[in-house]
Amino acid sequence: GENVEQHPSTLSVQEGDSAVIKCTYSDSASNYFPWYKQELGKRPQLIIDIRSNVGEKKDQRIAVTLNKTAKHFSLHITETQPEDSAVYFCAARVYNTDKLIFGTGTRLQVFP
Amino acid sequence: NAGVMQNPRHLVRRRGQEARLRCSPMKGHSHVYWYRQLPEEGLKFMVYLQKENIIDESGMPKERFSAEFPKEGPSILRIQQVVRGDSAAYFCASSPAGVVGEAFFGQGTRLTVV
Repeated sequence: GENVEQHPSTLSVQEGDSAVIKCTYSDSASNYFPWYKQELGKRPQLIIDIRSNVGEKKDQRIAVTLNKTAKHFSLHITETQPEDSAVYFCAARVYNTDKLIFGTGTRLQVFP
Repeated sequence: NAGVMQNPRHLVRRRGQEARLRCSPMKGHSHVYWYRQLPEEGLKFMVYLQKENIIDESGMPKERFSAEFPKEGPSILRIQQVVRGDSAAYFCASSPAGVVGEAFFGQGTRLTVV
């Protein structure tokens, strides 16, 4: 079935450094890739998404890149801040459905 | 416009009891999804519903679990004869019709089976 792999599972960075989280997906027909941030005990919140007709999208300190050929997509956070600390999930939409398949999550810790 | 509302936020059930989890989608949203999150794990798809219709239940366990989204009222995820392994956070998400993929999550219901 459809699968999304996410790496790393944990990531620790110093405040101000960049953080990169990578995901691969199995369904070559997937065309929508959102990223969610989940703080401890809270709901997952959509932070950025990308559709398969573009290769990159940026929103302030957050950017997402997509390589359709390799079936990879990545989240880039620049100038990290302690409030960026959370679990980040990537997801891919199964083609011709409304179902999102999630990665296993990356716990990001930003140290002051 | 209130977000996706789930209740209760916390639910404790003894083994063998029934658990009912409710989800009211955002105003204007007609698609509802249920996900389960085990401690320290990711979100696992369970079921996708539209009003009065189950679209995809491929992630639902075959027994004890059921879901509905009636014409009036919230979506209900029902777990009969709960077991300890059902303890998890259950998240509901909703999206508007025709805007596939842009799902917004509720706060979740944390089910504890004792």
